[in-house]
Amino acid sequence: AQSVTQPDIHITVSEGASLELRCNYSYGATPYLFWYVQSPGQGLQLLLKYFSGDTLVQGIKGFEAEFKRSQSSFNLRKPSVHWSDAAEYFCAVIGGATNKLIFGTGTLLAVQP
Amino acid sequence: DAGVIQSPRHEVTEMGQEVTLRCKPISGHNSLFWYRQTMMRGLELLIYFNNNVPIDDSGMPEDRFSAKMPNASFSTLKIQPSEPRDSAVYFCASSRGLAGELGETQYFGPGTRLLVL
Repeated sequence: AQSVTQPDIHITVSEGASLELRCNYSYGATPYLFWYVQSPGQGLQLLLKYFSGDTLVQGIKGFEAEFKRSQSSFNLRKPSVHWSDAAEYFCAVIGGATNKLIFGTGTLLAVQP
Repeated sequence: DAGVIQSPRHEVTEMGQEVTLRCKPISGHNSLFWYRQTMMRGLELLIYFNNNVPIDDSGMPEDRFSAKMPNASFSTLKIQPSEPRDSAVYFCASSRGLAGELGETQYFGPGTRLLVL
């Protein structure tokens, strides 16, 4: 069965600093991978997704993620964090022919001024 | 496009009452999903439909929960009778097809915050 692990429950970074949020997945074949962001009281918004091809994926709001098959990882990065990036970030995977999104437990990002 | 629309946005009810949550997917999308988000269990898929037909309801917690999709533009999630442990945020999402075939993204609604007293 597919699963997603986000080892960091909470991260605090300073505004302007770089950011990396970790995500590891478990799936035998090449999965479909997603990063979603959830602002307080809001629904989930897709940041980026990986299906195939180039392993470095660009998303919205200046985010990118790199798929590393050898490490079963899909870490999210941003070179310079803005205060508005404070939110909860979810990594998710779809495996096989079903459309079931399996979410990680989320990483809550706080941004210090 | 208006995005996925959910109503109500907030619901407070008493234990034992029936609760109905509503969702209007994005026009042209043929897959619809109901998720529940709680602090203890995170985000979990309850049920999903493709072309108005339930495909997988293995996430529905128990018989008190039921979901319907009478047409392509409307779905309901009903809890009867409701219990305090059902308190959560319920999200509806839609996509154009099965991701395994088309790689389609799921678009989420704003959620319904349910509190059962």
